[in-house]
Amino acid sequence: EIVLTQSPDFQSVTPKEKVTITCRASQSIGSSLHWYQQKPDQSPKVLIKYVSQSISGVPSRFSGSGSGTDFTLTINSLEAEDAAAYYCHQSSSFPITFGQGTRLEIK
Amino acid sequence: EVQLVESGGGLIEPGGSLRLSCAVSGFTFSGYEMNWVRQAPGKGLEWVSYISRSGSIMYYANSVKGRFTISRDNAENSLYMQMNSLRAEDTAVYYCARQEGGYYDSWGQGTLVTVSA
Repeated sequence: EIVLTQSPDFQSVTPKEKVTITCRASQSIGSSLHWYQQKPDQSPKVLIKYVSQSISGVPSRFSGSGSGTDFTLTINSLEAEDAAAYYCHQSSSFPITFGQGTRLEIK
Repeated sequence: EVQLVESGGGLIEPGGSLRLSCAVSGFTFSGYEMNWVRQAPGKGLEWVSYISRSGSIMYYANSVKGRFTISRDNAENSLYMQMNSLRAEDTAVYYCARQEGGYYDSWGQGTLVTVSA
């Protein structure tokens, strides 16, 4: 099973700050890495597909990078509406796995 | 508009069974692979099961293998999860998720399953 480890688990940030969330895979997963946002009491929503590909309708302040085992989600100029949990997800092999999540609090 | 609507959750005693359903609309159901993903209260996302477009290929998380069975009815535009021998640790919101390539592009609102005596 491929284990995805996110850091940090929690971050308290101020609006307009730049945020970086990392996701490390226990083995190489190529580009089969995706990012989701989940706001309280809502279903998850995909933000970034295949490491760095944008999703229609997602603000351009969200971007992704990385390869192999190390990946990053970057949120430029954080907004209050970005308060949420963020999860990475690998589709390289079964069983499918998610990172444990990173909760962002807006100060 | 793409819609996925789960149903069938509820309170069940340990050892009991439940069948979850996911009714879809707004897209050609038979053209998509589907998944169930769950989230225990206050916890993260856990993938549960996958089914291919035709329903001939299924995969399961180790935590549910042998107890849960995923299925689909393409004529009825519905996805199912038969859950047997339920345990307290199966308590979670269960989401159905449409798979586009490798990622999940649409999710339902979830249905809560509570396993408790």
